[in-house]
Amino acid sequence: GEDVEQSLFLSVREGDSSVINCTYTDSSSTYLYWYKQEPGAGLQLLTYIFSNMDMKQDQRLTVLLNKKDKHLSLRIADTQTGDSAIYFCAEAPYGGATNKLIFGTGTLLAVQP
Amino acid sequence: DTEVTQTPKHLVMGMTNKKSLKCEQHMGHRAMYWYKQKAKKPPELMFVYSYEKLSINESVPSRFSPECPNSSLLNLHLHALQPEDSALYLCASSQVGGGPIEQFFGPGTRLTVL
Repeated sequence: GEDVEQSLFLSVREGDSSVINCTYTDSSSTYLYWYKQEPGAGLQLLTYIFSNMDMKQDQRLTVLLNKKDKHLSLRIADTQTGDSAIYFCAEAPYGGATNKLIFGTGTLLAVQP
Repeated sequence: DTEVTQTPKHLVMGMTNKKSLKCEQHMGHRAMYWYKQKAKKPPELMFVYSYEKLSINESVPSRFSPECPNSSLLNLHLHALQPEDSALYLCASSQVGGGPIEQFFGPGTRLTVL
């Protein structure tokens, strides 16, 4: 099947904004998610957006959703070195009925001091 | 307590060994998951338990055998594994039902099959 696609790598300077993009596949996904994985750790849920919204802001995080293009983005304002990690978007197919998540290919964010 | 614990942290096993991975949560979650993650790849779902019953098996080979003895514990029994099964095995848990699925992940077990 199709992959949930993300760009592989993003490098930014500390204090700049980061924008991580995701193209998902299942238009029935009720919620779309962003997870963060630090080296040697499990995944941590950062935020999610309901599919009838086009934007959600949560402190330094802003999620934008374009349902027509099945495009999701995560903007991190004032990026810090502690934000260096792999970021995964995720969709919940079948409207989330099965509790199953399909993760994107992941974007490695490197923050330069 | 919002923690999912996994043991062991690292495991090295031969292809003829039998071993088990363990996962525990005390958040009252009734859904538990096993994922496999290869290096530089996203987690791939293996199994989902809902109310202690297996609800999803993503066509995983029978050398992986999951078990959910109660609502807090999840095991993954390993037997006759192959070197390509070497990976990070992640356990997660969540509530069941409508609304957003917040899966809480453990730190994983790093498995090496020789």
